[in-house]
Amino acid sequence: DARVTQTPRHKVTEMGQEVTMRCQPILGHNTVFWYRQTMMQGLELLAYFRNRAPLDDSGMPKDRFSAEMPDATLATLKIQPSEPRDSAVYFCASGPRDRGRRTEAFFGQGTRLTVV
Amino acid sequence: LAKITQPISMDSYEGQEVNITCSHNNIATNDYITWYQQFPSQGPRFIIQGYKTKVTNEVASLFIPADRKSSTLSLPRVSLSDTAVYYCLVEDSGYSTLTFGKGTMLLVSP
Repeated sequence: DARVTQTPRHKVTEMGQEVTMRCQPILGHNTVFWYRQTMMQGLELLAYFRNRAPLDDSGMPKDRFSAEMPDATLATLKIQPSEPRDSAVYFCASGPRDRGRRTEAFFGQGTRLTVV
Repeated sequence: LAKITQPISMDSYEGQEVNITCSHNNIATNDYITWYQQFPSQGPRFIIQGYKTKVTNEVASLFIPADRKSSTLSLPRVSLSDTAVYYCLVEDSGYSTLTFGKGTMLLVSP
């Protein structure tokens, strides 16, 4: 049963520390999304990759957030330095999305980040 | 992007049929309507997608009128485990991102 795998599932860190979240998309999926979810803002798109190339990261605070896909099996989201307002659940999703195909996106279980 | 309006919350009882209506007045010709479900502490999960008329799968039905300015997700005979947030999305193409609104919190009671 193919699934999107995110690590770690939970992370508690102190303000100012670097945080790296990892995602293993489903094999063969060419599109990867990073979302952040909070009670106040709901699900916000942070970054979006197609064939490992970043297509849209306009939702991501550039001064402290960075997203990369070093290879097709790994996507990373890094926060440096972290702040308490970054506390949220971060979801990764992947999908086999091509022009003309509106296929479903598969979400991971999320990384719950708490910055104290 | 199409503006999405859906109820913030709905209540139901086990065994009832639940219909959640979503308004998307400025939907474009190439747009599809997609619904996702999210349980607490989990990522959203695809439920159903449609373009017009009616689509049915093992989980739900999706009704889309001819003008496509609204759509209704129908959940037959809900159970307690259907308690979740339901998101209505409008997708314009395979290259589009998924834009989530606030969703509808469905609470199913015994």
